Amino acid sequence: DAGITQSPRHKVTETGTPVTLRCHQTENHRYMYWYRQDPGHGLRLIHYSYGVKDTDKGEVSDGYSVSRSKTEDFLLTLESATSSQTSVYFCAISATASYVGYTFGSGTRLTVV
Amino acid sequence: AQSVTQLGSHVSVSEGALVLLRCNYSSSVPPYLFWYVQYPNQGLQLLLKYTTGATLVKGINGFEAEFKKSETSFHLTKPSAHMSDAAEYFCAVSDPQGAQKLVFGQGTRLTINP
Repeated sequence: DAGITQSPRHKVTETGTPVTLRCHQTENHRYMYWYRQDPGHGLRLIHYSYGVKDTDKGEVSDGYSVSRSKTEDFLLTLESATSSQTSVYFCAISATASYVGYTFGSGTRLTVV
Repeated sequence: AQSVTQLGSHVSVSEGALVLLRCNYSSSVPPYLFWYVQYPNQGLQLLLKYTTGATLVKGINGFEAEFKKSETSFHLTKPSAHMSDAAEYFCAVSDPQGAQKLVFGQGTRLTINP
């Protein structure tokens, strides 16, 4: 999607290794979010950010950390990857007004073996 | 806490038939409601949204949804299904006064039969 990119698009990693996913936006939006998508669960919020260095936990934050040192970048780190973290990860951005809704990235498919 | 329930993880209709995807929500405040569509191997795309005002909202690709407060529902409909409508659909609710977090339903996979 224009204005938001995720990298990498695909990654295979081994159990116990740290992994960092990157979300980059060019829209200068204040809010950024990380979700994971799993069959039967829809999308579940991992962490979100409401400004530079301002982040908070979502409903499935255990085993994940985030950082936002610049408006345009929001990093998601799996501190020690486990097989239960095999999933598709989506980043989303939102402008100030909550009625606008989100713009989503194309996703990162992560496989932990 | 807000929550969303989508009734039916899979819905199958014939081409040209009515599409009805059901969504019920729970919210302690008047919510903002959204429907998103996800085509295979893609991100989510906003289909339509309800914030305030008219309860019947129209979206892209001929879809519409009606906000019914008394039924806490926001069902998605399309009068005549097209093969290109095959996708997964997600209903979501947002607290207008919160940190704009969207809570998603489990998703409904729509299959169109020729």
